[in-house]
Amino acid sequence: DSGVTQTPKHLITATGQRVTLRCSPRSGDLSVYWYQQSLDQGLQFLIQYYNGEERAKGNILERFSAQQFPDLHSELNLSSLELGDSALYFCASSERTSGAYEQYFGPGTRLTVT
Amino acid sequence: AQTVTQSQPEMSVQEAETVTLSCTYDTSESDYYLFWYKQPPSRQMILVIRQEAYKQQNATENRFSVNFQKAAKSFSLKISDSQLGDAAMYFCAYYAGGTSYGKLTFGQGTILTVHP
Repeated sequence: DSGVTQTPKHLITATGQRVTLRCSPRSGDLSVYWYQQSLDQGLQFLIQYYNGEERAKGNILERFSAQQFPDLHSELNLSSLELGDSALYFCASSERTSGAYEQYFGPGTRLTVT
Repeated sequence: AQTVTQSQPEMSVQEAETVTLSCTYDTSESDYYLFWYKQPPSRQMILVIRQEAYKQQNATENRFSVNFQKAAKSFSLKISDSQLGDAAMYFCAYYAGGTSYGKLTFGQGTILTVHP
């Protein structure tokens, strides 16, 4: 158990819908990262927040957005969902903002778009 | 852009034997970090080992060690005395430093099967 929690574990929804994935980082960690793991794209970095502020952006679609709240939990919002958005979405956290240090991954949310 | 390549989609090893997983990367940076993450069937991503590019000494963690060849941009993972619990997908990852903040770039992964 990494100490990072993600809800829900599984999510099944239809195309065109909007969903919210939630992540609670390890106690004391200020950085939260979101990654998408799909069969065709592999494991890709989406976005990073540090203490409430966006720090780095990766291959995140405009239909996707994220935020980190004052209590440091983070939400990833996915809208106008397409079949290709079906993937495993990971949240990770670390104490610092630099990627030089270990990122602790949550168990992931499996999103299925039908 | 930095890229990470794992050329072995699948590897297998007998229990107690040694196996080496390959990883190459492309970068123009001089300051960077490399990682191997393990993803067992539970899907949990677990850090196996970490290497700082400025260190010439190869990192080791118990049965896991790396062969870091900076000039060749190669970063292989050696697993000694393989155990059934080592069966997993292994990802090589790269961090650029500078203004990349926390962004990790991952390879495509290598599925490791351990035969009893």
